[in-house]
Amino acid sequence: EPEVTQTPSHQVTQMGQEVILRCVPISNHLYFYWYRQILGQKVEFLVSFYNNEISEKSEIFDDQFSVERPDGSNFTLKIRSTKLEDSAMYFCANQMDRKDGYTFGSGTRLTVV
Amino acid sequence: DQQVKQNSPSLSVQEGRISILNCDYTNSMFDYFLWYKKYPAEGPTFLISISSIKDKNEDGRFTVFLNKSAKHLSLHIVPSQPGDSAVYFCAASDGNDMRFGAGTRLTVKP
Repeated sequence: EPEVTQTPSHQVTQMGQEVILRCVPISNHLYFYWYRQILGQKVEFLVSFYNNEISEKSEIFDDQFSVERPDGSNFTLKIRSTKLEDSAMYFCANQMDRKDGYTFGSGTRLTVV
Repeated sequence: DQQVKQNSPSLSVQEGRISILNCDYTNSMFDYFLWYKKYPAEGPTFLISISSIKDKNEDGRFTVFLNKSAKHLSLHIVPSQPGDSAVYFCAASDGNDMRFGAGTRLTVKP
């Protein structure tokens, strides 16, 4: 079964530092997403990405966030200057076609201290 | 943003019985609905979906029902098994992105 791989599984960072969360998507799956889940809260949409550009983003995805596919393969989420409230599980998701279910990675737990 | 709501944070059922998980939505532009299952320390796993042109979709023990007029969908698991214990997320898509409900924690007791 094809998998979406996320690294690292857990990252601890100092407030104000930059973090990059990485995702290796499934080959030929063209739609990419980042979601996050703050502990005990709902899964929240951050951003969708298709054809090397952002197709939609939520109000959470402010100027501190960015996404890219630097090598046409990995899909990254960068948080420029982390805040305590950025602590959450971050999930990358991949989709072949618009009407398919998403395949999620196992998540990166980000802890900002 | 409460476009997708799961009003029951938890549900407990006996093994062998039916589990019914409910979900309501407010956005009439949603035309595709999905259920995901999530175990601790793992990402959500796609379970079953339904298009707005249908009112029922069945896959083994899992059946999803859609009532468009009520903007309500439900997931039925029959018979429930202890391995079904997980958090279940309802999700809805308007063709652009997907919105999730807050999840319902299902516990199936042996």
